[in-house]
Amino acid sequence: DSGVTQTPKHLITATGQRVTLRCSPRSGDLSVYWYQQSLDQGLQFLIQYYNGEERAKGNILERFSAQQFPDLHSELNLSSLELGDSALYFCASSVGPSGGPNEQFFGPGTRLTVL
Amino acid sequence: LAKTTQPISMDSYEGQEVNITCSHNNIATNDYITWYQQFPSQGPRFIIQGYKTKVTNEVASLFIPADRKSSTLSLPRVSLSDTAVYYCLVGQRLLNTGFQKLVFGTGTRLLVSP
Repeated sequence: DSGVTQTPKHLITATGQRVTLRCSPRSGDLSVYWYQQSLDQGLQFLIQYYNGEERAKGNILERFSAQQFPDLHSELNLSSLELGDSALYFCASSVGPSGGPNEQFFGPGTRLTVL
Repeated sequence: LAKTTQPISMDSYEGQEVNITCSHNNIATNDYITWYQQFPSQGPRFIIQGYKTKVTNEVASLFIPADRKSSTLSLPRVSLSDTAVYYCLVGQRLLNTGFQKLVFGTGTRLLVSP
């Protein structure tokens, strides 16, 4: 158990819908990262927040957005869902911002299926 | 941004040493290289991290040459439970924003046989 929790574990929805994925980081960790893992794209970095502020942005679509709240939990919002958005979405947390020694601890993931 | 590449798969036998290499041509000056292990339907798990030369912990070693354009994860004596996918992760600094983009390697599927 990494100490990172993600809800829900599974999510099945239809194209065009909007969903929210939730992540609670390990106690004491200030950074939260979101990743997408699909069969054809591998692990893709989406976005990182550090202590409530956006820190780094990867291949995140405009239909996707995220935020980190004052209690440090984070939410990833996916809207206008398409079939290709079906994937495993992982959240990870770390103590500090990336760039230096910074081990990330990954949650169990949310499996999103878009029908 | 250059792609971070790894061999797609490797086969080994129990007790052997396994070396997995990752190529990362555009690594930023102050970025670290991290390796993760992933089992099916689980999140990646940290193995080892380094900046240059050699790092060793209780489960693996990481070799990084002087130019840092590649790194090699070494698993000294693999067992059946080491069958998993191994990823390298490096940070790539975006010159126009100063932000970092984290890039996972393409992943290496290691199969350990008895």
